[in-house]
Amino acid sequence: SAVISQKPSRDICQRGTSLTIQCQVDSQVTMMFWYRQQPGQSLTLIATANQGSEATYESGFVIDKFPISRPNLTFSTLTVSNMSPEDSSIYLCSVDARGGSGYTFGSGTRLTVV
Amino acid sequence: GQQLNQSPQSMFIQEGEDVSMNCTSSSIFNTWLWYKQDPGEGPVLLIALYKAGELTSNGRLTAQFGITRKDSFLNISASIPSDVGIYFCAGQETGRRALTFGSGTRLQVQP
Repeated sequence: SAVISQKPSRDICQRGTSLTIQCQVDSQVTMMFWYRQQPGQSLTLIATANQGSEATYESGFVIDKFPISRPNLTFSTLTVSNMSPEDSSIYLCSVDARGGSGYTFGSGTRLTVV
Repeated sequence: GQQLNQSPQSMFIQEGEDVSMNCTSSSIFNTWLWYKQDPGEGPVLLIALYKAGELTSNGRLTAQFGITRKDSFLNISASIPSDVGIYFCAGQETGRRALTFGSGTRLQVQP
């Protein structure tokens, strides 16, 4: 299965600032996904990152707040913009490396907003 | 969006006991997956199921894809302390590549 490198692994940020999270995969993948996991909760899909086109956002998530880049088939970034304490969560990158059977996750970015 | 109902929410068992957890959905899924998440880590795939009725094992873990395609269960036999963690079911709906996750089952094992 694909190996994902996600960074930073954790960060503490000031309210009102932005943080960009990077996701690097060791092989080319068609689809990359960004999830949020709020404290003690399950995973919620933020958006699907498409190479060569805009990301597809889930209900409740907007591009202005969570801009995503996907410059090639092995890399994506998620930015959490104008952060507030409610954005404190774990953000996870995931890839579908084998046509639906190889959903792998990065180790996540633990974000705390103060 | 689609919600998966996962139960139980938590379990506290003695080492050596067997464990069972399940997920149900209101719509049909094409794929069911079971993940384990340790503190500070991302979810790790345990078992993937692709066909209704499929029964798959991975060591002491066994999972089944329900015949109706609306449910799945995971069994852990002879639990050990390192089984501690949060277990998530996840499913993939027709026409959707992303996964929908259950709410998780927190497992604690008393040595």
